[in-house]
Amino acid sequence: AQSVTQPDIHITVSEGASLELRCNYSYGATPYLFWYVQSPGQGLQLLLKYFSGDTLVQGIKGFEAEFKRSQSSFNLRKPSVHWSDAAEYFCAVALSGTYKYIFGTGTRLKVLA
Amino acid sequence: DAMVIQNPRYQVTQFGKPVTLSCSQTLNHNVMYWYQQKSSQAPKLLFHYYDKDFNNEADTPDNFQSRRPNTSFCFLDIRSPGLGDAAMYLCATESSGRAYEQYFGPGTRLTVT
Repeated sequence: AQSVTQPDIHITVSEGASLELRCNYSYGATPYLFWYVQSPGQGLQLLLKYFSGDTLVQGIKGFEAEFKRSQSSFNLRKPSVHWSDAAEYFCAVALSGTYKYIFGTGTRLKVLA
Repeated sequence: DAMVIQNPRYQVTQFGKPVTLSCSQTLNHNVMYWYQQKSSQAPKLLFHYYDKDFNNEADTPDNFQSRRPNTSFCFLDIRSPGLGDAAMYLCATESSGRAYEQYFGPGTRLTVT
């Protein structure tokens, strides 16, 4: 069965430090992969997506993610975190040819001033 | 300039008392989704509409129904809410012309007493 795993429930980083959020997926075919951010009281916002091609994808707000097929991973990175990045981050996979999305359980990011 | 609107933001209902959650959109997207997100869990897809075509997930309980009277509006009906239905309910939209870019509303938090 298809699944998405985000092994880190909580992550705390200092402002200005680099960030990497982990995501692993299980899917037989080449997946469509996504990262979303959810700030308190708001809906999920799409940060970036990967379908094919260059395995390093750039997103909004200075985020990037790298697809590694050999590791079934799609980790999210940011070189320098800002206090406003504190939020919950969700990795998701879409089953190609469908309108079905599977989300991970999320990673809550806390940023220390 | 809200694009996906959910009303109400907070809903309290009694055990067994039917409740309806509302979602409207100004994006003219033809695909609309309903997700259930329980505390510390991944958003779980309940069903989606592709235009007027309703697509139910296999594991969505019969207690959950949906209506889409027009492109802009979609409703989630819970016929007999149980305590286990307490959750955040997220509505999302997507254009089939620009697939795999979901836009989420802020969610409705449902409490069952």
